[in-house]
Amino acid sequence: QQQVKQSPQSLIVQKGGISIINCAYENTAFDYFPWYQQFPGKGPALLIAIRPDVSEKKEGRFTISFNKSAKQFSLHIMDSQPGDSATYFCAASRRNNRLAFGKGNQVVVIP
Amino acid sequence: GAVVSQHPSWVICKSGTSVKIECRSLDFQATTMFWYRQFPKQSLMLMATSNEGSKATYEQGVEKDKFLINHASLTLSTLTVTSAHPEDSSFYICSARPSLVGGEQFFGPGTRLTVL
Repeated sequence: QQQVKQSPQSLIVQKGGISIINCAYENTAFDYFPWYQQFPGKGPALLIAIRPDVSEKKEGRFTISFNKSAKQFSLHIMDSQPGDSATYFCAASRRNNRLAFGKGNQVVVIP
Repeated sequence: GAVVSQHPSWVICKSGTSVKIECRSLDFQATTMFWYRQFPKQSLMLMATSNEGSKATYEQGVEKDKFLINHASLTLSTLTVTSAHPEDSSFYICSARPSLVGGEQFFGPGTRLTVL
């Protein structure tokens, strides 16, 4: 059972555009929602994370929007650059337990 | 900060041999470490959770006698793939969670295992 569902599966964005990836979760007990960025042949790197007590968190060009009532959260990459081309995974966990990962989203930023 | 290393970064071995992969947290202590495997273009699949000084907890379907996990210290966990077969070929990734910080997991760079 997929606890965290990601969409779209892949995304092509023009340089300078906004990349938006969405995640939906089922378990209302989840209290930690990170996004990871992974380049081919590398391990995932924590990009940004949010807890359900806030609706938005911004770090540089990356923003998480969190909608608790809809059980959804999204990653926005502003001013997308070719170097942002990677696979992005959303995840969720409950009280320091293991992370439930989404299936991943491949983002390609074209010059 | 929060750097996790893995060794080796890649390994090729013959079928039937055993391979050990090390995972180290370089600048923090990790009470809990996790081992994942990832197939091409797929998500991370949790294999087991290991807590320092105690036995690892394996996910359903993961053979504990085949994938031996040892978490002997707060900075080191090892995964040994015993009697490896070609179907064990995969990308193995560890992560570590700092003892005093809630939720965050920091991932190692991964180990590419190829079994011939």
